[in-house]
Amino acid sequence: DAGVIQSPRHEVTEMGQEVTLRCKPISGHNSLFWYRQTMMRGLELLIYFNNNVPIDDSGMPEDRFSAKMPNASFSTLKIQPSEPRDSAVYFCASSPQPGQGNSYEQYFGPGTRLTVT
Amino acid sequence: AQSVTQPDIHITVSEGASLELRCNYSYGATPYLFWYVQSPGQGLQLLLKYFSGDTLVQGIKGFEAEFKRSQSSFNLRKPSVHWSDAAEYFCAVGTHTGGFKTIFGAGTRLFVKA
Repeated sequence: DAGVIQSPRHEVTEMGQEVTLRCKPISGHNSLFWYRQTMMRGLELLIYFNNNVPIDDSGMPEDRFSAKMPNASFSTLKIQPSEPRDSAVYFCASSPQPGQGNSYEQYFGPGTRLTVT
Repeated sequence: AQSVTQPDIHITVSEGASLELRCNYSYGATPYLFWYVQSPGQGLQLLLKYFSGDTLVQGIKGFEAEFKRSQSSFNLRKPSVHWSDAAEYFCAVGTHTGGFKTIFGAGTRLFVKA
């Protein structure tokens, strides 16, 4: 299995621009999570989906952030407009169906390092 | 509210020495507990987990952790550290609130000296 795939791996953009981060979860996993990691705030859960439906988006910092999961194999996290304080590493993770042997384990992608200047 | 505390921001140990990383959690029910490791520039990888049963769990790379309900702790141990163990380690608790999600601690960075 290829694992969780994220693109791009690095993104540098100017303040005010729209940024779209992409994630392909592991096939067969039914939960998907978006995290943000910074030195100051550590690892923060932004939003998670179960069976393509957003379950908890309380971690999304502002209306500038939005996430979608149009199907089981693809999710996006969009920031519009971006600001310098959005600079961070964004991770996507997926988790298998509860009841399976490795359920509740999260499998992380390599992350997208976002720099907003 | 559920929370995870890792009291040590960073720890330095000599190669070959034993290691213990501390973790305390706050959760009303029986917790699902995890340890993840993050090497520089990479995502997190699961080391081990505790759901129920034997309170001493074995994980990958020679790590183990012990669940102590009376102390609300889930400390990670390794008898002999290798230089390749230098990384950041995250303790986490899984919660069932409107779905299953994981709350991570702030992490402990491990430095290994020769």
